[in-house]
Amino acid sequence: GQQLNQSPQSMFIQEGEDVSMNCTSSSIFNTWLWYKQEPGEGPVLLIALYKAGELTSNGRLTAQFGITRKDSFLNISASIPSDVGIYFCAGRESGGSNYKLTFGKGTLLTVNP
Amino acid sequence: DADVTQTPRNRITKTGKRIMLECSQTKGHDRMYWYRQDPGLGLRLIYYSFDVKDINKGEISDGYSVSRQAQAKFSLSLESAIPNQTALYFCATSMGGTDTQYFGPGTRLTVL
Repeated sequence: GQQLNQSPQSMFIQEGEDVSMNCTSSSIFNTWLWYKQEPGEGPVLLIALYKAGELTSNGRLTAQFGITRKDSFLNISASIPSDVGIYFCAGRESGGSNYKLTFGKGTLLTVNP
Repeated sequence: DADVTQTPRNRITKTGKRIMLECSQTKGHDRMYWYRQDPGLGLRLIYYSFDVKDINKGEISDGYSVSRQAQAKFSLSLESAIPNQTALYFCATSMGGTDTQYFGPGTRLTVL
């Protein structure tokens, strides 16, 4: 089945630095979602994107729906220690049923104070 | 209060035992899902339900069964647990016609 390639797999950064991660697919997606998962908890929705080119912010987080509809990007500005966690992308493939999300394998973010 | 709750949060059981994991939601969503999460494999769909009378298998349903007791409740059962069912299990909900899924806090299941 469809796979989402999420990169990087992990990041170690200093507090205050900006972070970028991305997700790519081999086919066109109609929806891109970004989630954050903290240890011992379930994924929490950060940002949802529904249109190609859409740029949406949530506080220090900004995500973009790629123009080709085959990728999405998440940026975190001025990172803080509580940004630590695993960030997942997810999406619904064009023509797919709107129950089926495809998930990336996650980017593990570590922020050193 | 959390919109999607799961019980228990942690469970240790032995091979061959029957286990039920429960999920409740107050979001008023009609669709509910069960996923398992394994290191390096991401989230994989076990079962999903569009309403009380609609149950569907996901990509890894073997060894699992589900029951949708009400719109707000969706339980996952392992009839005879085996060690490779050790994983994190997540319930999720969504409103029909939308893509966004909302996850519960998860159940960590260990099968010895």
